[in-house]
Amino acid sequence: AQRVTQPEKLLSVFKGAPVELKCNYSYSGSPELFWYVQYSRQRLQLLLRHISRESIKGFTADLNKGETSFHLKKPFAQEEDSAMYYCALSGNPAYSGAGSYQLTFGKGTKLSVIP
Amino acid sequence: NAGVTQTPKFQVLKTGQSMTLQCAQDMNHEYMSWYRQDPGMGLRLIHYSVGAGITDQGEVPNGYNVSRSTTEDFPLRLLSAAPSQTSVYFCASSYSGTGGPGANVLTFGAGSRLTVL
Repeated sequence: AQRVTQPEKLLSVFKGAPVELKCNYSYSGSPELFWYVQYSRQRLQLLLRHISRESIKGFTADLNKGETSFHLKKPFAQEEDSAMYYCALSGNPAYSGAGSYQLTFGKGTKLSVIP
Repeated sequence: NAGVTQTPKFQVLKTGQSMTLQCAQDMNHEYMSWYRQDPGMGLRLIHYSVGAGITDQGEVPNGYNVSRSTTEDFPLRLLSAAPSQTSVYFCASSYSGTGGPGANVLTFGAGSRLTVL
């Protein structure tokens, strides 16, 4: 079974402070990890994926297979970063026996950036 | 290019009533899925489809039916609504559900808020 844990329901930081949203996963194979974001009154959208190794809106995330983590980081938080963030995992159906790749989401972390 | 379109945006039902949430995408995506979003529970997969004529169950399929007669449409049916089905429902699609570039990069609809009294 594949599982994603986001330990913080709510994270409040001051503008300009560093941000780290934690994500840990459980999966026996080689997963693909994602961060999705939902801004107020907007649709859920992809923020970044580990295989792209990109920095999007100043956010980065590194897959640590030893610690089974995929934490999202940003050195200086901005007010517009306030949103709901979801970590998600896609497992290889060859391992899970599922009919396809399936995305499993964590419960989400609400980030609030205080001006 | 509309992306993923869900209707209705809001719906109130009485216990036992039936209804269908509509989902349509115009991106020629193979993979379509339905999630429900509940406070403190995150997003949970209800049903998904990797192509026309193919559907499968996700994590929380009970009480819901789906069909995929065309590539574009993936309706979600509640046959006998229950208060436990009060939730926000999201339809999402992606290029492929079987791997390859773009697989699992989901495009989401705006959501349908359902209340069952």
